[in-house]
Amino acid sequence: NAGVTQTPKFQVLKTGQSMTLQCAQDMNHNSMYWYRQDPGMGLRLIYYSASEGTTDKGEVPNGYNVSRLNKREFSLRLESAAPSQTSVYFCASNRAGGGAYEQYFGPGTRLTVT
Amino acid sequence: AQSVSQHNHHVILSEAASLELGCNYSYGGTVNLFWYVQYPGQHLQLLLKYFSGDPLVKGIKGFEAEFIKSKFSFNLRKPSVQWSDTAEYFCAVSFMTTDSWGKLQFGAGTQVVVTP
Repeated sequence: NAGVTQTPKFQVLKTGQSMTLQCAQDMNHNSMYWYRQDPGMGLRLIYYSASEGTTDKGEVPNGYNVSRLNKREFSLRLESAAPSQTSVYFCASNRAGGGAYEQYFGPGTRLTVT
Repeated sequence: AQSVSQHNHHVILSEAASLELGCNYSYGGTVNLFWYVQYPGQHLQLLLKYFSGDPLVKGIKGFEAEFIKSKFSFNLRKPSVQWSDTAEYFCAVSFMTTDSWGKLQFGAGTQVVVTP
């Protein structure tokens, strides 16, 4: 079991460029999440997918879009990157529900926008 | 709105010292409580969790936490730390409301440095 995998590990973008962060899990989990981690702010939820075919906004969705491609994969897209999106991005998954089950995290993507 | 606060942002202590990290939340209803740890260069992993029952929960690596409902607190403790406990520790709370659907809300994190 690889658990939760993310690609890429590192990325540098120029302002206005677009990119997609990929996330996949092999635990047959129903729910998946995208967080961003900034110093002194903990992790903040960007978007989540309660189950295949559904997505919902989290606390900080502006500037992002997501796609739940299938049960395994949940991608995060930055259409026009801004320096404020410089952060570490974590994908997570769990069996179901936001709080009823432990979330499992991927290794993160460190994104710098210049 | 619900919130999660961690009292200390940065803690430095010596090996064998005791550790206590504070976590408070603001919500009068049902919550599920978690402590996650992030070792340098690694992803978050679960230390322990509380859903119901005995308010004193034991986790991995000798950590424990106590849920005190009247104080809205879920403090993390370890009697004797090791250098390998150097990490960032996050308290996370799931507020079981119809709006939140139990989404996790994280505290800002506490960076713990254990010196030899």
